Amino acid sequence: KQEVTQIPAALSVPEGENLVLNCSFTDSAIYNLQWFRQDPGKGLTSLLLIQSSQREQTSGRLNASLDKSSGRSTLYIAASQPGDSATYLCAVSIYNQGGKLIFGQGTELSVKP
Amino acid sequence: EAGVVQSPRYKIIEKKQPVAFWCNPISGHNTLYWYRQNLGQGPELLIRYENEEAVDDSQLPKDRFSAERLKGVDSTLKIQPAELGDSAVYLCASSLQGSRETQYFGPGTRLLVL
Repeated sequence: KQEVTQIPAALSVPEGENLVLNCSFTDSAIYNLQWFRQDPGKGLTSLLLIQSSQREQTSGRLNASLDKSSGRSTLYIAASQPGDSATYLCAVSIYNQGGKLIFGQGTELSVKP
Repeated sequence: EAGVVQSPRYKIIEKKQPVAFWCNPISGHNTLYWYRQNLGQGPELLIRYENEEAVDDSQLPKDRFSAERLKGVDSTLKIQPAELGDSAVYLCASSLQGSRETQYFGPGTRLLVL
């Protein structure tokens, strides 16, 4: 059974700092891995999608990496801003269940001005 | 382009009452999902539709939950009767074709069962 774990559960950093969020998964048979952002009381917004054949994806100040063999992904946020404060969730698309998404529990990020 | 629309945004009911949630996906998206998100957790899939067909409902508690997607567009998720443990956020999402593509989420319906 695929399990997705995110560490840490919560993170507080001063504005301007670079930071890394971690995601690990137990089964490497995945189509892709996605990182989402969730603001309080809101739905999820897709940030980056990495196909299983890819190593990383970049969008602006965000860079996500994928190491399928070790079951790990990281989301790197450069020069953090207070507007980056949100919960970040990673999810893997399972290969043998039609691409079903399995989510981690999220990392709650707070960027202090 | 309009995103995924859900209503209501909030619902408070007493246990044993029925409740229904409505979702309108992004135009042209064939795949529709209903997720449940408990506090402090990631979403869990309840049911996935490809057009009108429910292709994965393995985690839908069928004794009290039901869903439909008539004409392959809008969808309704119903709970009858609701239990205290059903309090959660119910999220609807859609994707162009299948689960391997980016899913776009609605704002969710926050349900509180008293």
